[in-house]
Amino acid sequence: AQSVTQLGSHVSVSEGALVLLRCNYSSSVPPYLFWYVQYPNQGLQLLLKYTSAATLVKGINGFEAEFKKSETSFHLTKPSAHMSDAAEYVCAVTDSSASKIIFGSGTRLSIRP
Amino acid sequence: DSGVTQTPKHLITATGQRVTLRCSPRSGDLSVYWYQQSLDQGLQFLIQYYNGEERAKGNILERFSAQQFPDLHSELNLSSLELGDSALYFCASSVGQDSSYEQYFGPGTRLTVT
Repeated sequence: AQSVTQLGSHVSVSEGALVLLRCNYSSSVPPYLFWYVQYPNQGLQLLLKYTSAATLVKGINGFEAEFKKSETSFHLTKPSAHMSDAAEYVCAVTDSSASKIIFGSGTRLSIRP
Repeated sequence: DSGVTQTPKHLITATGQRVTLRCSPRSGDLSVYWYQQSLDQGLQFLIQYYNGEERAKGNILERFSAQQFPDLHSELNLSSLELGDSALYFCASSVGQDSSYEQYFGPGTRLTVT
């Protein structure tokens, strides 16, 4: 069965530094992969979605993610962190039939001034 | 604002009780999804309805049930509540039948069982 692993439950970077949040999926290539952001007391908001059209996916707020089949990874990056990026980031994949989404446990991103 | 509304925002109840959580999807969306987010755990998919019919089922307990009404709003019923049911319950909606479509999440209902 498909599963998602996010390495690091908490990542802290300095303002202006590179953000790298890691996500690996477990088995056969899922049809769709997602990154969501969750601010306190809010629901999840879609950052970006991979649909096999391109391995590098650009999302909102300057984030992008690269799908690497050889590494079963879909890591999220942003070249320069802003204070407003502090939030929970959740990686997710669909099952093979896209009938449901499997979510990772999330990574809390903190930004140091 | 995602356009998805959930009521109530907070709910405190005792073990053994029954509660109903309500979700109104975005205008035009036909699918409603329910998720549970427990402390330090990721979102767990419970159930999906599409245009009034159950479409997909996740790890939903038998004590839990849901339905989607003709006006497309949905209710999640939780009965014989246990302490472990304390969690954030999210509803999401999308326009299509499957999970390839973007899901828009509501702000959640925080359930505390004492």
